[in-house]
Amino acid sequence: KNEVEQSPQNLTAQEGEFITINCSYSVGISALHWLQQHPGGGIVSLFMLSSGKKKHGRLIATINIQEKHSSLHITASHPRDSAVYICALSRGSNYKLTFGKGTLLTVNP
Amino acid sequence: DARVTQTPRHKVTEMGQEVTMRCQPILGHNTVFWYRQTMMQGLELLAYFRNRAPLDDSGMPKDRFSAEMPDATLATLKIQPSEPRDSAVYFCAITNAGGANEAFFGQGTRLTVV
Repeated sequence: KNEVEQSPQNLTAQEGEFITINCSYSVGISALHWLQQHPGGGIVSLFMLSSGKKKHGRLIATINIQEKHSSLHITASHPRDSAVYICALSRGSNYKLTFGKGTLLTVNP
Repeated sequence: DARVTQTPRHKVTEMGQEVTMRCQPILGHNTVFWYRQTMMQGLELLAYFRNRAPLDDSGMPKDRFSAEMPDATLATLKIQPSEPRDSAVYFCAITNAGGANEAFFGQGTRLTVV
């Protein structure tokens, strides 16, 4: 079983819709990261969480340490949000990341 | 991210040739990672350095891959000889162990071995 599982694998939405992407993990972590990758593009760090909730613009990330679960929400989605969203774990003092398989989000106009 | 510059952005080479990829982190980030991304496997850790010392290269095929960090602003990943199965996007990422721990990624090197 993978240490980190994302759902859904693929998500198609209409512009303006509220989006939720989920990440569940099975190991102890020091932090959870949400990353964004546009097609053919680099990887951008959106959030790093160890507890609670963070908000940046239309993006909100939450984490429940007890349940080993995190969600990434996008409010008022836009076609430019179309990308792969990747959940990644860092553990202990190593800081190396273990990645989920990613969620491909397509937002149609 | 401007904190990390990777070169080249794209590389096409013939099987058997040597390939060198470069990562130039800005000063102040003491941990450098090399990741490989393929459609089948997603993102995988190849190697990482802290304060220029290699800490873990267990994800790297040792017979053909080598990673070095000759100075604080240059990390290299070399493949010799390259094989078609090495075709992937190679990302360098940096973080500051003991600091905020956020990871910053380079734009990646897209390698195609024909």
